[in-house]
Amino acid sequence: EAQVTQNPRYLITVTGKKLTVTCSQNMNHEYMSWYRQDPGLGLRQIYYSMNVEVTDKGDVPEGYKVSRKEKRNFPLILESPSPNQTSLYFCASSPSQGSGKGEQFFGPGTRLTVL
Amino acid sequence: GEDVEQSLFLSVREGDSSVINCTYTDSSSTYLYWYKQEPGAGLQLLTYIFSNMDMKQDQRLTVLLNKKDKHLSLRIADTQTGDSAIYFCAEKGGANNLFFGTGTRLTVIP
Repeated sequence: EAQVTQNPRYLITVTGKKLTVTCSQNMNHEYMSWYRQDPGLGLRQIYYSMNVEVTDKGDVPEGYKVSRKEKRNFPLILESPSPNQTSLYFCASSPSQGSGKGEQFFGPGTRLTVL
Repeated sequence: GEDVEQSLFLSVREGDSSVINCTYTDSSSTYLYWYKQEPGAGLQLLTYIFSNMDMKQDQRLTVLLNKKDKHLSLRIADTQTGDSAIYFCAEKGGANNLFFGTGTRLTVIP
């Protein structure tokens, strides 16, 4: 089944404790992206990647890191989480630019709480 | 990112039509999308419209695009309780990026 998976789905942690949220897709998509969803703010893009070893900042990259060593994986790293990073996080993937309507496929979300 | 705006809430009675509105800023967007987010789930593409179209109909869904006013709407005919969800409007930017609105929470009253 074609899908985007994220782990963990739920995480409660404390300020300053490094964490990684994994994202994996099995559709051979070049493009991957991370968003955070907050009430009243919609989805805001954190980082995106056009292909392996190519990553770029989105609208709200502060406090986050990403890497794209393999095409299928795009982990989101919080080196020193803070309470304002408490949010619902979504990973998404898409075929390369120019191939079709540019639909993005979303993972199920990771709900992160930083105490 | 681009500024995409939607109203936050909409309530309708079961069987009525729902109209969700969206305004966007980038007149060069090639595609505009409506995504649906059900409780506890990720976003799923509901429908989309290419920028050279004015209207697109897909069963109970009608998308209207007014490029002059940069206004997009989604009409759901015969709204059902299963349509209760958050609906996001999005426009396609460069590099395959999508810019999302705040989302409209649709509540269908039985």
